[in-house]
Amino acid sequence: DIQMTQSPSTLSASVGDSVTITCRASQSITEDLAWYQQKPGKVPKVLIYGASSLQSGVPARFFGSGSGTQFTLTITDLQPDDFATYYCLQYYNYWAFGQGTKVDIE
Amino acid sequence: DVQLLESGGGLVQPGGSLRLSCAASKFIFGRFAMNWVRQAPGKGLEWVATISASGASPYYAESVNGRFTISRDNSKSTLYLEMNFLRGDDTAIYYCARDNVDDSGIPRGYFDYWGQGTLVAVSS
Repeated sequence: DIQMTQSPSTLSASVGDSVTITCRASQSITEDLAWYQQKPGKVPKVLIYGASSLQSGVPARFFGSGSGTQFTLTITDLQPDDFATYYCLQYYNYWAFGQGTKVDIE
Repeated sequence: DVQLLESGGGLVQPGGSLRLSCAASKFIFGRFAMNWVRQAPGKGLEWVATISASGASPYYAESVNGRFTISRDNSKSTLYLEMNFLRGDDTAIYYCARDNVDDSGIPRGYFDYWGQGTLVAVSS
């Protein structure tokens, strides 16, 4: 099974900051990685697929990069609506989520 | 817009069984692979099971393999999850989610639309 290790588990930031979340796969998953945002009591929302492709309707301040085993999600100019928990998902071989990164207000 | 509506959750005793349903609408259900994802209270997301568009190919997480069965009825646009031998660590919100496809209809593998979820609580 492919394991996804996401870091950090919690991240404190302020409005206007840039933040970066990392996901590492236990083996190469090429670019079969998606990023999700989930707010408390809400359903996950896909932000990025194919490691770097922006899902339709998602603001361009969300940027995904990486391939193989190392991936990052960068959020620039953090907005109040961006404080949430973020998950990566590998879909190269079966499916597996990272443990999540909570972005909260500093 | 795409709609996915889960039902069938509830309180069940350890060792018991439950059948979840996910009614789909506003898209051609039989053209999409479908998935179940769960989230234990206060915890992260966990993939549970996936079934191909035709229903011929199911896939399971190790934690549920042999206890859960995913199935679908394309004539009813409905996805199912039969859960047997339930344990306390199966307690979670269960979401159904649709697999995304590209312009040629080929599954991409990630989940684009999610239902609101149904809560399964396993307790004596």
